[in-house]
Amino acid sequence: EPEVTQTPSHQVTQMGQEVILRCVPISNHLYFYWYRQILGQKVEFLVSFYNNEISEKSEIFDDQFSVERPDGSNFTLKIRSTKLEDSAMYFCASSEGWVFSSHNEQFFGPGTRLTVL
Amino acid sequence: RKEVEQDPGPFNVPEGATVAFNCTYSNSASQSFFWYRQDCRKEPKLLMSVYSSGNEDGRFTAQLNRASQYISLLIRDSKLSDSATYLCVVNEGGGADGLTFGKGTHLIIQP
Repeated sequence: EPEVTQTPSHQVTQMGQEVILRCVPISNHLYFYWYRQILGQKVEFLVSFYNNEISEKSEIFDDQFSVERPDGSNFTLKIRSTKLEDSAMYFCASSEGWVFSSHNEQFFGPGTRLTVL
Repeated sequence: RKEVEQDPGPFNVPEGATVAFNCTYSNSASQSFFWYRQDCRKEPKLLMSVYSSGNEDGRFTAQLNRASQYISLLIRDSKLSDSATYLCVVNEGGGADGLTFGKGTHLIIQP
C-alpha cells in the first residue's frame, strides 16, 4: 500500500540553526500539507501546497517557514532560524485532491521529531 | 480558524463493550468530516470519513448531525487493539484547505 515517507525520523538542532524536513508524498497525490504537533497538544495545520505554490497557510507559518517541491517526488519544509518553541513532531500529509475524492482524505507520514536545544 | 471540541477522557472500557465518542465543531460551513486514530507518538491514521447519511465500517459507525454541528463515533465489540486516541477532524473549506483537529479522546480497552 502506498504511503507517505519522511526523513529524518528525529532531528536535533541548536537554536538559530536552519533545518530542512523532507517528505515523499504518495505518488499520484496532488495536494501536500505540513502539520505540527507539540508534545501533549493537538495537531495543527501549517501549510498546504498545490500546483507548485502555497494554497493556504496558518498563522503559525510565518516568514521563518518555507516549503518547496524541488523535484517530482520530494516536498520539503524549511525552518530558517529555529526557536525553542519549534520543538514538535512535524507531519507531512498528501491527498489525491477534491476533484477525485469528494472528501479529500489526507494521509499522514510517520513524522519528524524536531528537538531545538 | 474555528474549533473542534472533544471530551479528552480517558474512557476506560472493558473488552467487548460498546463505546461512543462525540465531537462538536464551531464552523457551520465545514465541508468534510473524519475520524482519525493516533497511537502514542505516531502519526494520525484515517479511520473513516463521516457522511451526512451516516456510515459504518465493520465495528465502527460514524454519524454527522449538521444542524447540531455534532459528529459521533461508535465502536462495537471493542478490542484491546482499539486502545488509542481518537481524533475528530474537520475540513472547513474543502479543496486544499488544512484540517482542523480536535485534541482527541483517549480510549483504554481493559482486558
